[in-house]
Amino acid sequence: AQSVTQLDSQVPVFEEAPVELRCNYSSSVSVYLFWYVQYPNQGLQLLLKYLSGSTLVKGINGFEAEFNKSQTSFHLRKPSVHISDTAEYFCAVSRGGNTGKLIFGQGTTLQVKP
Amino acid sequence: GAVVSQHPSWVICKSGTSVKIECRSLDFQATTMFWYRQFPKQSLMLMATSNEGSKATYEQGVEKDKFLINHASLTLSTLTVTSAHPEDSSFYICSALGGPYNSPLHFGNGTRLTVT
Repeated sequence: AQSVTQLDSQVPVFEEAPVELRCNYSSSVSVYLFWYVQYPNQGLQLLLKYLSGSTLVKGINGFEAEFNKSQTSFHLRKPSVHISDTAEYFCAVSRGGNTGKLIFGQGTTLQVKP
Repeated sequence: GAVVSQHPSWVICKSGTSVKIECRSLDFQATTMFWYRQFPKQSLMLMATSNEGSKATYEQGVEKDKFLINHASLTLSTLTVTSAHPEDSSFYICSALGGPYNSPLHFGNGTRLTVT
């Protein structure tokens, strides 16, 4: 069985500062990994995904994540955040390789302060 | 890009009534759609997998008679919450796979259900 743990429930950061949102997963099989962003009362938007290949994945809005198999991590990073990045971020792992069946982490609220 | 439309975006209903939520893929055919539920300040939990032309597959603990899913066409899946109770109040989100096995998953904007 797979599981996802997002280590921080809230991350406050000042505008233009770098940020890292942490995600660890557990799985006995190969997985696909995803980061989604959710704005209030909206659905989810895909930021980036790791399916295979290069472990450094670049996504939209300047975000990137690195897949680390030995540490079973997939941390999300952005070198300089904007106020508009304030949202809920979810890390997810596919279940059994099925990219439609996702197991989500608990979410991390990124609060960007001016 | 691919868009998934979910309707309504919010609904308030009385306890004991039924509510239908629609999920449409607007510019692609989705043989498989998924329904998730999200409680306030919590993560998303997969409820069921909706397959076009066949019965939905429900996750453990999800009452199939309570949450009726119909996937009548390649672009439409519906979730009906039957005999709704206040504890069914939640944010329901659908998603659709558009393409081959590892294609992106497109999410609708969700439906906020409040049962009074």
